[in-house]
Amino acid sequence: GESVGLHLPTLSVQEGDNSIINCAYSNSASDYFIWYKQESGKGPQFIIDIRSNMDKRQGQRVTVLLNKTVKHLSLQIAATQPGDSAVYFCAESSETGKLIFGQGTTLQVKP
Amino acid sequence: DSGVTQTPKHLITATGQRVTLRCSPRSGDLSVYWYQQSLDQGLQFLIQYYNGEERAKGNILERFSAQQFPDLHSELNLSSLELGDSALYFCASSVEGSGTEAFFGQGTRLTVV
Repeated sequence: GESVGLHLPTLSVQEGDNSIINCAYSNSASDYFIWYKQESGKGPQFIIDIRSNMDKRQGQRVTVLLNKTVKHLSLQIAATQPGDSAVYFCAESSETGKLIFGQGTTLQVKP
Repeated sequence: DSGVTQTPKHLITATGQRVTLRCSPRSGDLSVYWYQQSLDQGLQFLIQYYNGEERAKGNILERFSAQQFPDLHSELNLSSLELGDSALYFCASSVEGSGTEAFFGQGTRLTVV
């Protein structure tokens, strides 16, 4: 069946350090992946996406890496700030467009 | 602001009752998705509509139903409510039905007492 999982439920980092959040997916036919950030009491917010024909995509302070061989996705946040504290979800898009979400990783940024 | 509007923001109702949650997608988006997020849980896909037609169905209970209207807004109807239906319900929209980013609303927090 389809599933998207994250390796760690909680990640604690020091302010200014880089953060890496990992995700494993099971459907090798998936061709589109998205990272979302969810702050308490709010809806998921789009961070960055990547298609299966790419290995890496960069945004502002964020980079997503896709390794199709091992079906692994990661989100790298450079110079992590207190405002980055949130729950991060990876999502896999099916052919219909529905997003299959993992359980989420809580990022805690220590001042 | 994602451009997706959900109403109401909060809803408290009793077991056995029926409620309707409303979603207005971003201007120009044809696809609407509904998700349920229980406490400390991930987002569970319920149902997707594209330009008025049902496109995909997830683990949506028979007590739940949804529709998308000609103006593209969508409603999620929850009936015979149980305590376990208490959750955050999110609506998302995207331009196409697949391969494009989906934008989420702020959610409706449903509390069944």
